[in-house]
Amino acid sequence: QKEVEQNSGPLSVPEGAIASLNCTYSDRGSQSFFWYRQYSGKSPELIMFIYSNGDKEDGRFTAQLNKASQYVSLLIRDSQPSDSATYLCAVILSGSARQLTFGSGTQLTVLP
Amino acid sequence: GAVVSQHPSRVICKSGTSVKIECRSLDFQATTMFWYRQFPKKSLMLMATSNEGSKATYEQGVEKDKFLINHASLTLSTLTVTSAHPEDSSFYICSARGRSGTGLSGELFFGEGSRLTVL
Repeated sequence: QKEVEQNSGPLSVPEGAIASLNCTYSDRGSQSFFWYRQYSGKSPELIMFIYSNGDKEDGRFTAQLNKASQYVSLLIRDSQPSDSATYLCAVILSGSARQLTFGSGTQLTVLP
Repeated sequence: GAVVSQHPSRVICKSGTSVKIECRSLDFQATTMFWYRQFPKKSLMLMATSNEGSKATYEQGVEKDKFLINHASLTLSTLTVTSAHPEDSSFYICSARGRSGTGLSGELFFGEGSRLTVL
């Protein structure tokens, strides 16, 4: 089992819709979770981080964390074509010296 | 926000040559820097963790004699790909963590990445 798993996609949503991206992790002791956006040929940029169970909202983005079920998700409201990118889930695994372990990423396409 | 600069952004070299990639934290001190490699349509794979003033810690399967990492100061880490071969062609990305005790503690900042093509 991979330590951090994501559906590779591609995920396509129409402009204005809600895009839902999911991520599961295997280490129950993980405490820190991150969502990065990566455009083709570019390095990742941090969108959000979440440490506590529940929802965390930042503009059109909402991160949801459920430690009991070991999943973290990212919702993008009012999706725009400029949101089209690969979204990487990253987790700091327990005992990892605060290294990030990345999922394989989900490719999102927002159709105009 | 904090800025991490990586140079060069693109490099093409002949097989057998060595290539150095620099990673600089421009407006903060980074005690720890990480080097990742990313193949097309794949996720980032951690290669090594670099701590200022000490030897880098390499991930399993990464040859430390091939990928030389030097973290000589709190703002600069370098990755040298020695005797590069076509299979080393990849996107190399560094990230830096802010120093403990500053407002940036714990947060990771990524460089722009360096695309290496070995002919």
